[in-house]
Amino acid sequence: GAVVSQHPSRVICKSGTSVKIECRSLDFQATTMFWYRQFPKKSLMLMATSNEGSKATYEQGVEKDKFLINHASLTLSTLTVTSAHPEDSSFYICSALQTRSFTEAFFGQGTRLTVV
Amino acid sequence: EDQVTQSPEALRLQEGESSSLNCSYTVSGLRGLFWYRQDPGKGPEFLFTLYSAGEEKEKERLKATLTKKESFLHITAPKPEDSATYLCAVQARGAQKLVFGQGTRLTINP
Repeated sequence: GAVVSQHPSRVICKSGTSVKIECRSLDFQATTMFWYRQFPKKSLMLMATSNEGSKATYEQGVEKDKFLINHASLTLSTLTVTSAHPEDSSFYICSALQTRSFTEAFFGQGTRLTVV
Repeated sequence: EDQVTQSPEALRLQEGESSSLNCSYTVSGLRGLFWYRQDPGKGPEFLFTLYSAGEEKEKERLKATLTKKESFLHITAPKPEDSATYLCAVQARGAQKLVFGQGTRLTINP
């Protein structure tokens, strides 16, 4: 299957700082990428959908000023958690939708964010 | 509103004991139904996409089937390494995002 690389896999940051997470599709073009948050033993919660070259669409209840998403190219999307607080600690996962088919979505390895 | 319900929430089997996981869905026109496997602390791993009722796909000990209302993931003679959470998701026609179920946590005891 296609490869989506997410970096970093783990990050610890101080409260009030910002953290950037990268998501790259390595061997295919992804017009659309998704960002999810996952709580322990829970399913994936969609945070936002990003389309290359345009503004991200955020799900209801997700603060767009806190979770900045940029999708500058067909292979890279970034999620920046700004002014992080302990309650932002979570597992964040990105997914990339194959441009060719629009029906195959592949996931990154996930990023464990801990805010201290 | 598009909705996906997976059952059971958790399932324990003995090695070699075959069973099925269920994914019931309601969607305003199905574009695709997806099955993923997720190991703890990892991102979901793509297994199958099914597009229309009657379609079946197989991979090793797993077989996915699809009807107009539900999908089944059949696991035949499972091994301990099949232990994981299995996620089902649907994508509606004209939509980009996938709607996920809550997952089934499968444990295979040796």
